[in-house]
Amino acid sequence: DAGVIQSPRHEVTEMGQEVTLRCKPISGHDYLFWYRQTMMRGLELLIYFNNNVPIDDSGMPEDRFSAKMPNASFSTLKIQPSEPRDSAVYFCASSTLLNTIYFGEGSWLTVV
Amino acid sequence: DQQVKQNSPSLSVQEGRISILNCDYTNSMFDYFLWYKKYPAEGPTFLISISSIKDKNEDGRFTVFLNKSAKHLSLHIVPSQPGDSAVYFCAANHKTSYDKVIFGPGTSLSVIP
Repeated sequence: DAGVIQSPRHEVTEMGQEVTLRCKPISGHDYLFWYRQTMMRGLELLIYFNNNVPIDDSGMPEDRFSAKMPNASFSTLKIQPSEPRDSAVYFCASSTLLNTIYFGEGSWLTVV
Repeated sequence: DQQVKQNSPSLSVQEGRISILNCDYTNSMFDYFLWYKKYPAEGPTFLISISSIKDKNEDGRFTVFLNKSAKHLSLHIVPSQPGDSAVYFCAANHKTSYDKVIFGPGTSLSVIP
C-alpha cells in the first residue's frame, strides 16, 4: 500500500521566494494534517482538513502560510514569501477518525 | 504554550537496560495518549497508545503508564535495543476534538551497545 507521499523531499530556496509543498494522503483517509518539526518546538500542528475542508488552522504561524486541499487526494502548503526562520521539516499526515495518524517522509525546507 | 511536554530532550541507555521516557500534559481534557517513534529522515510512526480509562498498556517490550492525577505518562522499553535509538514523541487527543492530535517536542533516545 502506498503511504502518504510528499514532494519535494528537499528544497533549498532563497529568502523571499514562494515555496509550495505537496502531499498525497493515503486513499480512503478523510483527515489530512500538516505538521512542522523544528528543534525548538518539536512537532507543531499547522492545519488539518476533514473531507477537504479546513477544520483548524490556528497553528499556521502567519499570513505568509496557506494550505489548500482541492480534492481528497491532494493538498498543498504554500509559504509566500519564505523567510530563513521557516527552515524546518514539514510533514503531511493522514488518518481516519480515531485511528492512527500516518506520516509522510517529510519535506526538508531550507531558506537561505 | 506547550500542552504536551517532554522535558528530557535526550536520553542514553545501555543495551539491555530499561529506557523510561516521560511526558507531562497540562490540558485535563486530553483523554487519549499516543507514542510515536521517528528515525532520521523518516516520518514518525505509531508505537503504542493508551486511553484515559486505563493506567497501563503493554505491547511486547513497550509499556505505557498513565497517571491521570499527575497528568503524567511514561513509556518503558525493556530490554532496550540499539534499534530503539530514535526520537520518541508523546501525543494526546482532546476529548472534544478527537481529530486534533497534539505532539510534544520529542525525546531522542540513544541505546548504547
